Amino acid sequence: DAEITQSPRHKITETGRQVTLACHQTWNHNNMFWYRQDLGHGLRLIHYSYGVQDTNKGEVSDGYSVSRSNTEDLPLTLESAASSQTSVYFCASSDGLVGNEQFFGPGTRLTVL
Amino acid sequence: AQSVTQPDIHITVSEGASLELRCNYSYGATPYLFWYVQSPGQGLQLLLKYFSGDTLVQGIKGFEAEFKRSQSSFNLRKPSVHWSDAAEYFCAVGASGGSYIPTFGRGTSLIVHP
Repeated sequence: DAEITQSPRHKITETGRQVTLACHQTWNHNNMFWYRQDLGHGLRLIHYSYGVQDTNKGEVSDGYSVSRSNTEDLPLTLESAASSQTSVYFCASSDGLVGNEQFFGPGTRLTVL
Repeated sequence: AQSVTQPDIHITVSEGASLELRCNYSYGATPYLFWYVQSPGQGLQLLLKYFSGDTLVQGIKGFEAEFKRSQSSFNLRKPSVHWSDAAEYFCAVGASGGSYIPTFGRGTSLIVHP
């Protein structure tokens, strides 16, 4: 069965370190997204990609970057981790049809000390 | 711009009782509408979706939702709640205008009492 996976599931890091969260999907979807989820804020879009070599900023992109070198993967990098980036991160994907649902990964809980 | 409002942050029901979670949207045309469920420690899972046609939509786990254009609502219902339904529920409006980014509501946390 097709799926979307994230790794690691849990990560503890220190302020100032670079961190990369992995996202891998086997749906062969063109669109991939990164969200963060914080209490009281719901889901907030960080970055998204509509295909290989395409990346775009979401509403909370400062301090984050992504790259899309193939269809399956969209890694999220925190260039210099900050305590404000402690959160749960979700990756999602969707096909190229407008209005179609997103499929979500299980999430990565990141703690920045 | 499209928007989604879930007026209730928390809802508490007793096991076996009926459930209705509210969702109101703002959108210029016929919307694509979704309900997702997020169990503790997990990602979001699609419960049901509405694109067109019959305004009463059946989903997984015994849930249904009714699209009411006149009220700009897409409320989620279940006739008898089980303890395993305790979760966070998100309503979303699908993307439009060449965008593939849906708009999510803030979510409603469902607490089920035995």
